[in-house]
Amino acid sequence: NAGVTQTPKFRILKIGQSMTLQCAQDMNHNYMYWYRQDPGMGLKLIYYSVGAGITDKGEVPNGYNVSRSTTEDFPLRLELAAPSQTSVYFCASSGRDRGHGYTFGSGTRLTVV
Amino acid sequence: AQSVTQLDSQVPVFEEAPVELRCNYSSSVSVYLFWYVQYPNQGLQLLLKYLSGSTLVKGINGFEAEFNKSQTSFHLRKPSVHISDTAEYFCAVSEGSSYKLIFGSGTRLLVRP
Repeated sequence: NAGVTQTPKFRILKIGQSMTLQCAQDMNHNYMYWYRQDPGMGLKLIYYSVGAGITDKGEVPNGYNVSRSTTEDFPLRLELAAPSQTSVYFCASSGRDRGHGYTFGSGTRLTVV
Repeated sequence: AQSVTQLDSQVPVFEEAPVELRCNYSSSVSVYLFWYVQYPNQGLQLLLKYLSGSTLVKGINGFEAEFNKSQTSFHLRKPSVHISDTAEYFCAVSEGSSYKLIFGSGTRLLVRP
């Protein structure tokens, strides 16, 4: 039972490069989320999805894109990386019962230089 | 707008001493409240939650929290901390029928021998 799997764990990008952060869950959860975590700032919601084919912006979506072609996968795309996108990225998922809270992945630490 | 405030960015405490981590939220409707713990270089794990009913909820590792509706607070407590409790703790709230969690900025608990 893997839960939420994120890859890669670490990545260094040069300014202007692009990359995709992968996220997969095996719990048949409808809801998936991408957060970024910056020191002293808590977690900020980037994008979320309520099911396959449906995505919506969170609090800080600029510079990112997502897709949800299957229930299991929710990749996050960074286009034209900037130093401001240096952060730790967490993917999470949740089921129909809101009371269960979220299951988080172990995170991707991204540095843009 | 919904928000979560964790007033203490860092709480140093000696081993076996009691601790309280404070969390206040703003909302005019019913809420679900959560505490998550993040150990170094790991994702977030659910510590405990308040959905309804008894205002005192117990979680893993000896932690408990009390929901106070009149003060819009959900403070986390432990009567005797261990070195292994050193981690960052996040308070989170979901409002009404929303599946989105809003997180506080986190409190770093530092337990000293």
